[in-house]
Amino acid sequence: EPEVTQTPSHQVTQMGQEVILRCVPISNHLYFYWYRQILGQKVEFLVSFYNNEISEKSEIFDDQFSVERPDGSNFTLKIRSTKLEDSAMYFCASSGTTTYNEQFFGPGTRLTVL
Amino acid sequence: AQSVTQLGSHVSVSEGALVLLRCNYSSSVPPYLFWYVQYPNQGLQLLLKYTSAATLVKGINGFEAEFKKSETSFHLTKPSAHMSDAAEYFCAVSFTGTASKLTFGTGTRLQVTL
Repeated sequence: EPEVTQTPSHQVTQMGQEVILRCVPISNHLYFYWYRQILGQKVEFLVSFYNNEISEKSEIFDDQFSVERPDGSNFTLKIRSTKLEDSAMYFCASSGTTTYNEQFFGPGTRLTVL
Repeated sequence: AQSVTQLGSHVSVSEGALVLLRCNYSSSVPPYLFWYVQYPNQGLQLLLKYTSAATLVKGINGFEAEFKKSETSFHLTKPSAHMSDAAEYFCAVSFTGTASKLTFGTGTRLQVTL
């Protein structure tokens, strides 16, 4: 069964450093998303992406964040200068065009900012 | 705007007992509704979805949910709990249409005791 994969599973970084979180969506999906879950809190939407541009973004997704689909398979989230409050689990998801917006989630990347 | 409220951050049931996890939604347009499950240290797995085809929706692992428009509810039930059902359960809502973001509730942690 096709699945969304994410790397790395755990990333530790120093405050102010740049991080890139990587995702490989399901191959025939066209819509891609990033969500985050701060420890003990609910899952929050960050951004959606379609046809090589952002479809929607939340207020969390400020200028420090960017997304890219550098090739036909990867989807990345970059945080330019990490803050302590960026520590969270980051989930990538993807969806097709005929699945009633059913989004398939990856296992997540746990980002720890020290 | 859309939102989801999950009543009860923790629910404990005995093995074999009925599981009832509550979810109420707010949406200005007909919603799509989802239940996701998150096992410890894992990603989000779709349990079931409501997409206006039928008000009683059956999902994986014996779970089902009933959409009640008059009560703006989408409660998750399972007739007989199993130890393996212990996990965090999230209700989510999106607008109809493709690539709409998911808005999650705060989650309910289900504990199953012997």
